[in-house]
Amino acid sequence: DGGITQSPKYLFRKEGQNVTLSCEQNLNHDAMYWYRQDPGQGLRLIYYSQIVNDFQKGDIAEGYSVSREKKESFPLTVTSAQKNPTAFYLCASSLHTDSGNTIYFGEGSWLTVV
Amino acid sequence: RKEVEQDPGPFNVPEGATVAFNCTYSNSASQSFFWYRQDCRKEPKLLMSVYSSGNEDGRFTAQLNRASQYISLLIRDSKLSDSATYLCVVLTTNAGKSTFGDGTTLTVKP
Repeated sequence: DGGITQSPKYLFRKEGQNVTLSCEQNLNHDAMYWYRQDPGQGLRLIYYSQIVNDFQKGDIAEGYSVSREKKESFPLTVTSAQKNPTAFYLCASSLHTDSGNTIYFGEGSWLTVV
Repeated sequence: RKEVEQDPGPFNVPEGATVAFNCTYSNSASQSFFWYRQDCRKEPKLLMSVYSSGNEDGRFTAQLNRASQYISLLIRDSKLSDSATYLCVVLTTNAGKSTFGDGTTLTVKP
């Protein structure tokens, strides 16, 4: 089945550790996105990529890093510089970033700092 | 001011009620509009796109008012299963990204 796969679904991190969240899509979409959602809040854009080997910062990029070496993969690293990383992380993709393109989401990854 | 603003609710309505949500956006260059539904602790899923002429999908009707820069979602004959958070999404092509509202929470009660 076509879709977006995020892993792991649940992740616990000790303070000071870097962690990487995986996101893979087999929809042949050019654009990919990472969002963060805190309890009871809306989605905030962390990073997005319109094409392989290119990405742009979103609204809350500090403390995060990404790469886009392959079209189907857009991993997110939560670094120790992110002071409050506990949140629900959503990866998404769309055919392009152009008008009319629907965004599809993975099932999300829950990150908890312990 | 946020780029996309929604009334957070919560909206608590009885089964069978009609309920309407509004969403305002600040960038007049915005070009595409969507409504997503998000269940508790799940990912958002597309409910419907919003077209300039307005569009309907069963009990759901979406409308766009470009002059006043808002979109709306009307749900008729509410079901218990409609309980969720509804997110409006605005795509501005020259920004290359979509902006989500914070969502409106709907609870439909028996």
